[in-house]
Order: sequence, then C-alpha cells, then structure tokens
Amino acid sequence: QKEVEQDPGPLSVPEGAIVSLNCTYSNSAFQYFMWYRQYSRKGPELLMYTYSSGNKEDGRFTAQVDKSSKYISLFIRDSQPSDSATYLCAMSDKFEDTGRRALTFGSGTRLQVQP
Amino acid sequence: EAQVTQNPRYLITVTGKKLTVTCSQNMNHEYMSWYRQDPGLGLRQIYYSMNVEVTDKGDVPEGYKVSRKEKRNFPLILESPSPNQTSLYFCASSLSLGVYTGEQFFGPGTRLTVL
Repeated sequence: QKEVEQDPGPLSVPEGAIVSLNCTYSNSAFQYFMWYRQYSRKGPELLMYTYSSGNKEDGRFTAQVDKSSKYISLFIRDSQPSDSATYLCAMSDKFEDTGRRALTFGSGTRLQVQP
Repeated sequence: EAQVTQNPRYLITVTGKKLTVTCSQNMNHEYMSWYRQDPGLGLRQIYYSMNVEVTDKGDVPEGYKVSRKEKRNFPLILESPSPNQTSLYFCASSLSLGVYTGEQFFGPGTRLTVL
C-alpha cells in the first residue's frame, strides 16, 4: 500500500463548479501538508501549505486537513479553465533545517475545467 | 526572472551511453534536489544537496550520480543508463534557512527515454 493515495482522475467539471480534490495517507507522523499544481509540460508549483489539522483559505482555494481520518482536501471555488492542471498532494513528518526535506507526493489528480 | 533551468528538455539515448542533465538556479538557494516522476508513482527524490560539496541520497538513488561544485548548479549524471530510467526528471531548489513551508521551486522537467 502506498503511503499517499490520490485518485488520478481525470476529473472533468464545467466552469464555475466547485472542485474537491482529495488524498488519503497512512503515516500518522505526517504533520505538514501541501498542494502543488502542475501544468502540462511544466514543473510543479506550490499552491497551498498547511500545518497540522484545520482549514486554510487563499482566494478561491481552501485546503483542509483531517488528521484523525488521515484525509486532506483541496477545494476550488468558481473553477476556471485556467485551473486545468494536475494537482499533487505532498506531505512530510518534519522539516529540517538540515537534511533532505523529504516530501511524500501523491501521484496527482488531473483536473479539466470545461468552458 | 527567478527560475530553475534544466537542459536538455528532451533526450532519447541508448542503454549504457553516459549522459548528464544540467540544472541551474538563479535564486541563491542552498538546497537543491532531483526527482523523477513516473505514472502512478508520483515524484520520488533521487538525490539532494544542502550546499556546495554536500550531497546525499534520496529515495531512489541507484544508477544516478550528482555533484555540487557551485551553488547554482546541480547536474544529474547517469553513468550507464538503462531502460528503467526512462522517466520525467525534475530539478528543484529551496532556501536552506528560515521558515520552510514545503516550497520547492521546480524546473520545467527533462523527459528522458532510454532505448
């Protein structure tokens, strides 16, 4: 079983829809949670970062962490065609000032927002 | 423009022919890393470097070498490539000091095919 599970999609929604992207994980030591966005033929870029449980909002994006269920979500409100990309969840048990800063990534969910 | 650059972007080679993928960043970051991305497996770390002349193994280092002789450059070397190293490779960098939020800046990727 992989440490981080993520539905690969593709997930196709109409413009303006609310999108829900999710990851489950098995390592209870994870406490740092991130969402990266990856456009086609580009490298991933950090979208949201959350420490421990709770919600974090940034514009149309909301990241949610439920450590008791080992489940994280990314919500996109009023989705736009420009949101079409692959969304990768990533997590870590610690961030070291020295050390390899290991991130465990999900395999990514491909999102298509239709105009 | 702050960026991570990789060359070449696409490479087709044959088994056993040594190759180097270059990576350079202009953000004065101490930390640099190489990942490979495979379908269904997400991003996996190959090697990382905390600073000049300091490198260490990530999750999947077999068959790869790296060097860090200058702060800005972190080349990935495949001494004797094999078909199972066919993958999409990303170089990434981040600050070493201060509050780390999981943000790593990724290059555009190098798609390598080993025949």
